[in-house]
Amino acid sequence: TQLLEQSPQFLSIQEGENLTVYCNSSSVFSSLQWYRQEPGEGPVLLVTVVTGGEVKKLKRLTFQFGDARKDSSLHITAAQPGDTGLYLCAGGMDSNYQLIWGAGTKLIIKP
Amino acid sequence: DAGITQSPRHKVTETGTPVTLRCHQTENHRYMYWYRQDPGHGLRLIHYSYGVKDTDKGEVSDGYSVSRSKTEDFLLTLESATSSQTSVYFCAIKGQGARRIPGELFFGEGSRLTVL
Repeated sequence: TQLLEQSPQFLSIQEGENLTVYCNSSSVFSSLQWYRQEPGEGPVLLVTVVTGGEVKKLKRLTFQFGDARKDSSLHITAAQPGDTGLYLCAGGMDSNYQLIWGAGTKLIIKP
Repeated sequence: DAGITQSPRHKVTETGTPVTLRCHQTENHRYMYWYRQDPGHGLRLIHYSYGVKDTDKGEVSDGYSVSRSKTEDFLLTLESATSSQTSVYFCAIKGQGARRIPGELFFGEGSRLTVL
């Protein structure tokens, strides 16, 4: 069974602080996607990483794919209330078109 | 706007009744998916479709069936709803990817189903 474990499950911090969310697996993925979901809406794609060691930046968000393509991290610098939401990682396999989803990290940024 | 609409958005029903959720897309995408989302479980795939009348099971397909008679519509049916099927259901379409880069999933706004 392929699993993607996200940690922490829940994080509540003050505006301006930094944070890192992790997505780990024992399986190798050909790609990894990060989505953000706001209450009452569907998830929205933030980034896709496909190369081991790849780093992508999206304003204050930095995404990294592990060298062995088994893990990924999302780092937010100087978090803002607008970053509040559920962050989901999803691993892709070349062999099929299904994604393996993590359970999500619920992030609350307090003003 | 990825052109996905789900209906109904909210439904309350009783155990044992049939329920059908509809997903409609205007983008002519080939792949469509039904997921359920429950606290602590993330998104779990119920069924997916890779074309008209071409469907396959996901990891939690028991108690659910699907149909796709037109490219734009993907229906999810609970033949006899149970309380364990109380959940938020999301439909998604898959955008065009590139070499080694999977397509982005575009999600509907969800259908919240409560089975009493």
